[in-house]
Parts: sequence; C-alpha cells; structure tokens
Amino acid sequence: NAGVTQTPKFRILKIGQSMTLQCTQDMNHNYMYWYRQDPGMGLKLIYYSVGAGITDKGEVPNGYNVSRSTTEDFPLRLELAAPSQTSVYFCASSPGRGFSYEQYFGPGTRLTVT
Amino acid sequence: AQKVTQAQTEISVVEKEDVTLDCVYETRDTTYYLFWYKQPPSGELVFLIRRNSFDEQNEISGRYSWNFQKSTSSFNFTITASQVVDSAVYFCALSHTGNQFYFGTGTSLTVIP
Repeated sequence: NAGVTQTPKFRILKIGQSMTLQCTQDMNHNYMYWYRQDPGMGLKLIYYSVGAGITDKGEVPNGYNVSRSTTEDFPLRLELAAPSQTSVYFCASSPGRGFSYEQYFGPGTRLTVT
Repeated sequence: AQKVTQAQTEISVVEKEDVTLDCVYETRDTTYYLFWYKQPPSGELVFLIRRNSFDEQNEISGRYSWNFQKSTSSFNFTITASQVVDSAVYFCALSHTGNQFYFGTGTSLTVIP
C-alpha cells in the first residue's frame, strides 16, 4: 500500500493563478481531510469529506474548493492564489465512523505564492 | 468551543533524560477523542496514540507513556530515556466525531546527544 500520496511536492504560484493539489489514498478510507500548516503553527482544517460526494468546510475554507467523486481521490483547488495561501498542505485519511479516527497523512505539498 | 493548548513551544533535553509534553484541551462534549502525532524534521506526520473520553487508563508503549486526566482536561505525553531520534515537533489534537480536528500549536523537542 502506498498510503496517502500527494502531488506535487513543491509548487510556486504567482498571485492570481490557480492550481489543484492532488491527494489519493489506497486504504479504502471513508474520511479524507485537507490541512494547512503555517510556520510555528499547528494544522488548520480546510475541508473534509466523510465519503464520495460529501464534503464540508473546516476552520479555514476561504479561497479553496474540494470535490470527492471517488473514495480514493480528494483534490484541493486554489482559485486566485494569494500570498496568504503560502503554506504546507497536508492531505489525510481515516477509516472513519464505526472504525477508528486516527489519521494517516500524506507527505505534504509546499506551496509558495509570490 | 474546542481548543487544544500546548503551552511548551520548545523543549531541549539531554539524551537519556525523561521529558513530558503537556496538552490541555477544552470541549463541552462528553464524547471526544484525543490524539498525539509526531512530526520529525523530514516533515511527515506520524500517528502515535488515540484515546477516547471514556477510557482514562494510562497507556505505555515502550519508552512512551500517556497520562489522560479528565479532571484537569489534560493528556500529557512522557518520553522516558529520550533519544536523539525523538527530536521532532509533537502535536496534540482533539476530535468529537472524526470530522473536525483541532490541533495544538505543537511542542518542538530537541534531544541533545
């Protein structure tokens, strides 16, 4: 099992550009999450999904969009990138309700917006 | 409101010393889950332990132990006989339903050889 994979590992965007961060898991987990981690801070939840076709906002959803068309994939879309979106982005998955909630994280995507 | 506080921003210890990382949480729910994660210098996040609110038993796993006390809303993490490989940022997190997770700001532990 590859676990949770994220692409790209690094990306530099210009202000106003858009991009999609890819996340795939092969553990058949129901729940998936997107976080951002700013320097010296903990993780902040952007969006989460409890199953294909179901997504919901976390603490810091502004400027982002998600979709979940399959169990495996949970892409994060940045529209009109801003310097405030410079961060490290982590995708995670967990088995979810009725199983366990420990999260398995991808390696992260380091995004710089200039 | 849900909140996790890790008041210790940075800790340095000499190898083989014991060290305790503090975690204090706030929640109004009676059912919740607490977690510890480790983030080594390589950057990935590694799950260490989960505890639910109905299980106040302390847990030991090798050199790691966790002390959960509902009376003080704390879920502290102790590393015994620390090693250089324990150097990392450690995060405590809280969740009620597995949907929303609230992370503390982390404690950066440096173990000096």
